[in-house]
Amino acid sequence: DSGVTQTPKHLITATGQRVTLRCSPRSGDLSVYWYQQSLDQGLQFLIQYYNGEERAKGNILERFSAQQFPDLHSELNLSSLELGDSALYFCASSVGDWGNTIYFGEGSWLTVV
Amino acid sequence: ELKVEQNPLFLSMQEGKNYTIYCNYSTTSDRLYWYRQDPGKSLESLFVLLSNGAVKQEGRLMASLDTKARLSTLHITAAVHDLSATYFCAVGPNTGNQFYFGTGTSLTVIP
Repeated sequence: DSGVTQTPKHLITATGQRVTLRCSPRSGDLSVYWYQQSLDQGLQFLIQYYNGEERAKGNILERFSAQQFPDLHSELNLSSLELGDSALYFCASSVGDWGNTIYFGEGSWLTVV
Repeated sequence: ELKVEQNPLFLSMQEGKNYTIYCNYSTTSDRLYWYRQDPGKSLESLFVLLSNGAVKQEGRLMASLDTKARLSTLHITAAVHDLSATYFCAVGPNTGNQFYFGTGTSLTVIP
């Protein structure tokens, strides 16, 4: 158990809908990272937050947004969902910024039908 | 766009043998990461390499980084079945705050 908690574990939703994925980082970790893994595009970095502020942005679509709250948990919001958004979404956390060991959650499986 | 290439993509090796996985990347970066993923599971951080010439070892795995050649290697010594997994390298973030994963190397260790 990495200590990173993601909910929900599985989610099935229809095209056009909006979902929110939640992540609780390890206790004491200030950075939260979001990644997407799909068969089509492999592993992609989406976005990183450090102590509530956006620190790095990857290949995150405009339909997607994220935030990190004062208690350091994070949410990834996916809207206007398309079939191609079906993927495994990982959250990870680390004590500091890049360069520290990153601990991954178990992921949230999103299926868009 | 930064490109990260791993080879081989698939590797089948016998227990006890040695082998190396290569990770080449296309732009300047002095941060490279290796991860392991078991089938149906999450990712596990293996190594964080932060400077040219960095070498880290954990058990039968050793990772190195040559930033001038834009190359990292993951060397497997005397492979055992438990090492069967997919290994990813990743690079960044670079000056554009981009972070990219390689395609992954699927390793199968045969008894």
